[in-house]
Amino acid sequence: DAGITQSPRHKVTETGTPVTLRCHQTENHRYMYWYRQDPGHGLRLIHYSYGVKDTDKGEVSDGYSVSRSKTEDFLLTLESATSSQTSVYFCAISDPSDRFKDHGYTFGSGTRLTVV
Amino acid sequence: EDQVTQSPEALRLQEGESSSLNCSYTVSGLRGLFWYRQDPGKGPEFLFTLYSAGEEKEKERLKATLTKKESFLHITAPKPEDSATYLCAVQTGGKLIFGQGTELSVKP
Repeated sequence: DAGITQSPRHKVTETGTPVTLRCHQTENHRYMYWYRQDPGHGLRLIHYSYGVKDTDKGEVSDGYSVSRSKTEDFLLTLESATSSQTSVYFCAISDPSDRFKDHGYTFGSGTRLTVV
Repeated sequence: EDQVTQSPEALRLQEGESSSLNCSYTVSGLRGLFWYRQDPGKGPEFLFTLYSAGEEKEKERLKATLTKKESFLHITAPKPEDSATYLCAVQTGGKLIFGQGTELSVKP
């Protein structure tokens, strides 16, 4: 997927446990994003980052935190997983130098998370 | 409130039967409209970007058009391999806002 890898691809966890999803890119893109995708809701932005240690909230950020200590890695943490966080999570990358100029965002393959 | 609405939610076509998918939007300051294709179990794959009303872009059997309030993705003589979910997204500020998608099924 054009230098963007998400891990794990699948995870089942119990309610109340912390969970961390990882997004790794080899494109040296400045911007990174975390989305969740649910039936009937489409893709919704959770958090995004516009540089190392620079992050901001999206429309559905409650219950999630992020960290970006290196350009290539963007971590999404569910502080205490709930059943409502069962979803497919996608990471995406973009770069302001060519952002939205016939490239759009590049997405990873997703992480399917089930909270039981 | 910025909003993107796609219709229909699902579309079933016979191979060779042309049709169109709609994406209507209300945003403050459109900076670009994007179309993506998503196959089951995969991330969205970029198709087109449109920036201004009247703009059109084509790729194989797909053609995307843009007006001030909506965009259309026209599919000419579709094939079964065109079956996928098609997502529309608009850029406002620094973020993309996605519609819910249209699930297209093309039967041979």
